[in-house]
Amino acid sequence: QVQLQESGPGLVKPSDTLSLTCAVSGYSISSSNWWGWIRQPPGKGLEWIGYIYYSGSIYYNPSLKSRVTMSVDTSKNQFSLKLSSVTAVDTAVYYCARLEINGVYFDYWGQGTLVTVSS
Amino acid sequence: QSALTQPASVSGSPGQSITISCTGTSSDVGGYNYVSWYQQHPGKAPKLMIYEVSNRPSGVSNRFSGSKSGNTASLTISGLQAEDEADYYCSSYTSSSILFGGGTKLTVL
Repeated sequence: QVQLQESGPGLVKPSDTLSLTCAVSGYSISSSNWWGWIRQPPGKGLEWIGYIYYSGSIYYNPSLKSRVTMSVDTSKNQFSLKLSSVTAVDTAVYYCARLEINGVYFDYWGQGTLVTVSS
Repeated sequence: QSALTQPASVSGSPGQSITISCTGTSSDVGGYNYVSWYQQHPGKAPKLMIYEVSNRPSGVSNRFSGSKSGNTASLTISGLQAEDEADYYCSSYTSSSILFGGGTKLTVL
C-alpha cells in the first residue's frame, strides 16, 4: 500500500523559507509516477503547487514559480518542497501526493501538515 | 490560469441524487479528458473519487459517476447517504499545469 507522510516545521517566520519533506513508503519513488504538492489555506480550496519526476523534470504553478523549488532524493525515497519569502498568505495545510501522469490525477495523498507563517 | 468554477454548495435528502458542476474553458476542461473529482471530509486529506472524466478507482461506490459536456464537467451522486456529506473538488489538466475548482460543500439534509 502506497503511503505518504509530510514532515517539517509547523511555524515559519515571514520572509523565511518553508521546507517540507514527503516520505514515500510501500512504493519506489523511482517508478513511473510523478509526485506533487498541493496546499489548502484554512477554510479555503485546494491549490496545486507543482509536480516532479524522479529524474528531476519539474512543473510549477506559474503563480508560485518564482518562489518554489522541488527536489527528489531517491536514496531516501522522498521528495521535498521549498517555498521562499513566505508571508501570511502561505499559511496552509500542505499535502504531498502521487500523480498518475497518464490521467493527471492524484491517487494517493499524505495526511497533510499545517504550516503557519507568523512572527 | 483561473480556478475552475463550482457551486459553493448543494444539498439533497438521503436517497436522492445530486449533481455538482465544474466549469472551465476549452483550454482545460473542454480540451482534455483529464478531469478528476476529490471528496474531502473535515480535517482529512482529499480522496480520489473520479478520474479521466468518468472512471472510478477501485473501492469507490458506483453511486458516484462523472461526465463532461463541452467546457463543463459534472459529478453525480445517486442514492445520497449521510456519509457523502463533504466538500468536493474538481480538477483539470491544462498546459503542464493542474487547476482545481473552488470546491462545493454537499449537505445531506
